[in-house]
Amino acid sequence: AQKITQTQPGMFVQEKEAVTLDCTYDTSDQSYGLFWYKQPSSGEMIFLIYQGSYDEQNATEGRYSLNFQKARKSANLVISASQLGDSAMYFCAMREVLTGGGNKLTFGTGTQLKVEL
Amino acid sequence: GAVVSQHPSRVICKSGTSVKIECRSLDFQATTMFWYRQFPKQSLMLMATSNEGSKATYEQGVEKDKFLINHASLTLSTLTVTSAHPEDSSFYICSARYGTGTYGYTFGSGTRLTVV
Repeated sequence: AQKITQTQPGMFVQEKEAVTLDCTYDTSDQSYGLFWYKQPSSGEMIFLIYQGSYDEQNATEGRYSLNFQKARKSANLVISASQLGDSAMYFCAMREVLTGGGNKLTFGTGTQLKVEL
Repeated sequence: GAVVSQHPSRVICKSGTSVKIECRSLDFQATTMFWYRQFPKQSLMLMATSNEGSKATYEQGVEKDKFLINHASLTLSTLTVTSAHPEDSSFYICSARYGTGTYGYTFGSGTRLTVV
C-alpha cells in the first residue's frame, strides 16, 4: 500500500517570505501522481499543483512550485512570497492505481501553515 | 471547469434520523466519485468509491448499511447516513475524478454533520 508522510504538523512563515512544506511518499509503482491541496478553515479542498512520476521538470503554478526528488521519494511544496491568505492546512496526496483499473487518492496528515505579519 | 457542488454545507439532525448529502458535477460527467470523512485537525479518510450505475466499493471498516452511497447518474452521487448517532458527527466531503490522461480530482465544499 502507498503511504504519504508529512512530518510538519505546523509551520509559521512571515509574510512575503518563502516556505517549504515537506512530503515524502512510499510506493512500488512506477507510474504515480502527486498532488498538493490547500484546505482553508471553511473546509473546501483547493487543488494547487500536480507532479507526474515521469515528469522530468518540477511543476510550477504561480507562487507554488513542487520540488520533486524522485530518488528520495520526496515532493515538497514551495510557496514563494507568502501572503496572509495562504494560512491554511496543506495536504500532500498520491494517486494510487488499484488492481482492476480503479484509482484513489491517499492523503498525508497535513501541515497547518500560518502566515504572520 | 470541473466543479462539484455539495449540499447541504451544514446539517444538524437528531439521533436516529437519516441524512442525505448530495454531490453534483456541474460541468463534466463524473463516472467515479469518492466520499471522504474528516475529523477535526485530521486528514481525509476515504470511505468509499462510487461508480455510476454500479455498487459502491467501501473501504475496510466502513459500515455499508450505515453509509449508503448511490451514484445513479453521471452527475449525481449521494451519501445517506442512516440512523445517525453523535459519533457520526464529522465533516464529509466528496470528490470526483475529471479529465483523461493526466487526470485530476475536484472536491465538493464539504458537509458538516452534527448529530444531537
